[in-house]
Amino acid sequence: GAVVSQHPSRVICKSGTSVKIECRSLDFQATTMFWYRQFPKQSLMLMATSNEGSKATYEQGVEKDKFLINHASLTLSTLTVTSAHPEDSSFYICSGLGAYEQYFGPGTRLTVT
Amino acid sequence: RKEVEQDPGPFNVPEGATVAFNCTYSNSASQSFFWYRQDCRKEPKLLMSVYSSGNEDGRFTAQLNRASQYISLLIRDSKLSDSATYLCVVNIPTSGTYKYIFGTGTRLKVLA
Repeated sequence: GAVVSQHPSRVICKSGTSVKIECRSLDFQATTMFWYRQFPKQSLMLMATSNEGSKATYEQGVEKDKFLINHASLTLSTLTVTSAHPEDSSFYICSGLGAYEQYFGPGTRLTVT
Repeated sequence: RKEVEQDPGPFNVPEGATVAFNCTYSNSASQSFFWYRQDCRKEPKLLMSVYSSGNEDGRFTAQLNRASQYISLLIRDSKLSDSATYLCVVNIPTSGTYKYIFGTGTRLKVLA
C-alpha cells in the first residue's frame, strides 16, 4: 500500500514554544491530507482538511491561528502547533487521500512540559 | 447526535467466538464506509471497505444498511491477535468535497 511518513515521531517541548510536524506522501500525490488528534483512550478527532494550494478547512472548535497548516505541495503538508501548552499534548496523525482510501502516517507524539 | 457512533465496549470474548460491532452514522449523504483496526499507540490500519452488497474477507464480514444508517463488522472464530480497537470511518460531504470522520472505536479483547 501507499506510504505516508511523519516527522518527528516524538517530540517534547516547553510550554510556549512552537512545534512543526511534517507529513509526506512518499509514493503517491495527495491533493488532500487530513490532520487528526487522538487523546488517550479516545478516538481520532479530525482537526482539519488540508488541500494542496489552498487554505485548510478547520473543524469546529479547532483554532486555525493555533494550529497552522500548510500544504504547499502534493506530497507535503505541515502542522505547526504555536505557543504549545500542556493540554496540546496528544498523538497527532496525518493521512493522505489516495484514489480509494486514506493512508495514515505513523503519528507524532507531542508532549508539552 | 454525533456524526458517527460506536459502542466503546470493551467486548471480552473467548477465542473462537463470533463477535459483531455496529456503527451508526447521521448523514444520509455519506457514500464511503470503512472499518479500521488500531493497535495500542499505533496508527489505524484499514481492515476493509464496506460495500452496499456486503463483503467478506476471510473471517471478517462487513455489512451496510443504508435505510437504518449503520454498518456492521462480524468477526468469526476470534483469535488472540484480533484484540485491538475497531474504528468505523464514514465520509461526510462538506463544501464540495468529503471529510472522513472516525467513530469512537470499539475495544475488543479476545481471551485465551
